[in-house]
Amino acid sequence: DTGVSQNPRHKITKRGQNVTFRCDPISEHNRLYWYRQTLGQGPEFLTYFQNEAQLEKSRLLSDRFSAERPKGSFSTLEIQRTEQGDSAMYLCASSYTPSYQETQYFGPGTRLLVL
Amino acid sequence: QKEVEQNSGPLSVPEGAIASLNCTYSDRGSQSFFWYRQYSGKSPELIMFIYSNGDKEDGRFTAQLNKASQYVSLLIRDSQPSDSATYLCAVINAGGTSYGKLTFGQGTILTVHP
Repeated sequence: DTGVSQNPRHKITKRGQNVTFRCDPISEHNRLYWYRQTLGQGPEFLTYFQNEAQLEKSRLLSDRFSAERPKGSFSTLEIQRTEQGDSAMYLCASSYTPSYQETQYFGPGTRLLVL
Repeated sequence: QKEVEQNSGPLSVPEGAIASLNCTYSDRGSQSFFWYRQYSGKSPELIMFIYSNGDKEDGRFTAQLNKASQYVSLLIRDSQPSDSATYLCAVINAGGTSYGKLTFGQGTILTVHP
């Protein structure tokens, strides 16, 4: 079974450095979502793609964040000039059905710690 | 007012009892409702989804939806210690540009003690 995969699983970086995370969705899924989760909170939506098109970005996504899904398959999320407030679990999810009945499946997440 | 609200708990129930988890949402345009389970340090795992008013059962789990009251719940029968986790309620609003985006509550911590 090839579920959603994310790499790396853990990342420790120093403030001001750039980091990039990768998400590989379930192969037939055309939608891909990024969420961020901090301790004690539910995941918060960041952005999503349908195929290669980025259709929505949250106001949480500052100019330091950029996401791509160049061929409609895997996606990358880059954070430039990291800040301590960026420390969180970054979750990727994918889904197939472009209707309100779609079900999203999450990857294992990338835990980021900014020192 | 938060879009999706849950009691953060912790909710503690004895093994074998029924655990009842509640969730309210503010957007009447919400179309789809999901329950995810999240173990500590892990990512959310889908338990159930419900779209229509009423009850939906899957094994030991029953989801209940009341759109008029903007309320969704999850019942876990015969609770087991392995059910101890954080339970996340999530909602999709199919309207506008937020199509497909999940909005989560803060989660309810459930502890099932032997």
